[in-house]
Amino acid sequence: AQSVTQLDSQVPVFEEAPVELRCNYSSSVSVYLFWYVQYPNQGLQLLLKYLSGSTLVESINGFEAEFNKSQTSFHLRKPSVHISDTAEYFCAVSDSVSAGGTSYGKLTFGQGTILTVHP
Amino acid sequence: EAGVAQSPRYKIIEKRQSVAFWCNPISGHATLYWYQQILGQGPKLLIQFQNNGVVDDSQLPKDRFSAERLKGVDSTLKIQPAKLEDSAVYLCASSTDRGYEQYFGPGTRLTVT
Repeated sequence: AQSVTQLDSQVPVFEEAPVELRCNYSSSVSVYLFWYVQYPNQGLQLLLKYLSGSTLVESINGFEAEFNKSQTSFHLRKPSVHISDTAEYFCAVSDSVSAGGTSYGKLTFGQGTILTVHP
Repeated sequence: EAGVAQSPRYKIIEKRQSVAFWCNPISGHATLYWYQQILGQGPKLLIQFQNNGVVDDSQLPKDRFSAERLKGVDSTLKIQPAKLEDSAVYLCASSTDRGYEQYFGPGTRLTVT
């Protein structure tokens, strides 16, 4: 079974400082990895994803994550954060569920990391 | 493109009452998911539909929870009777056939008193 561990439950940081949110996963098969962001009273929004190819993936708002197979990690980084980045961030790994001879994705989420950016 | 729609956004009920949540996925998305997100935790999958068939309901408490997806589009999740521990945000998500990238609705926040 898949599992995801987010190593920090809360990360406070000052505006314009760099930040890293850590994520480790366990899996016995090839994985797809995701970072979702959740703003207060909203649903989850996909931030970035690793499906295949380059191990470094980037989002449109300056976040990046690197898939490290040997360390089973998918840490999220941003070189300079803004107040508007304050939110909860979830790392997720996709497992497969088979039905009728077809495989479907099944997400397992970490516990979440609350990023708070202070002025 | 319209996103995943859910209603109601908030619901307060007393224990032992029943409640239903509605979800309308993104048009053309064959796969639909219901998640339960308890405060301070990540979302937990309750049930997954492919069109109107169930792919995975292994974590659905079937003694009190039920879900259906009529005609492979809208879906309803019901709890009957509710318990205090059912207080959570219920999230609906949808994806294209293979489900490796999911899009979430805003969620329904349920409070059971």
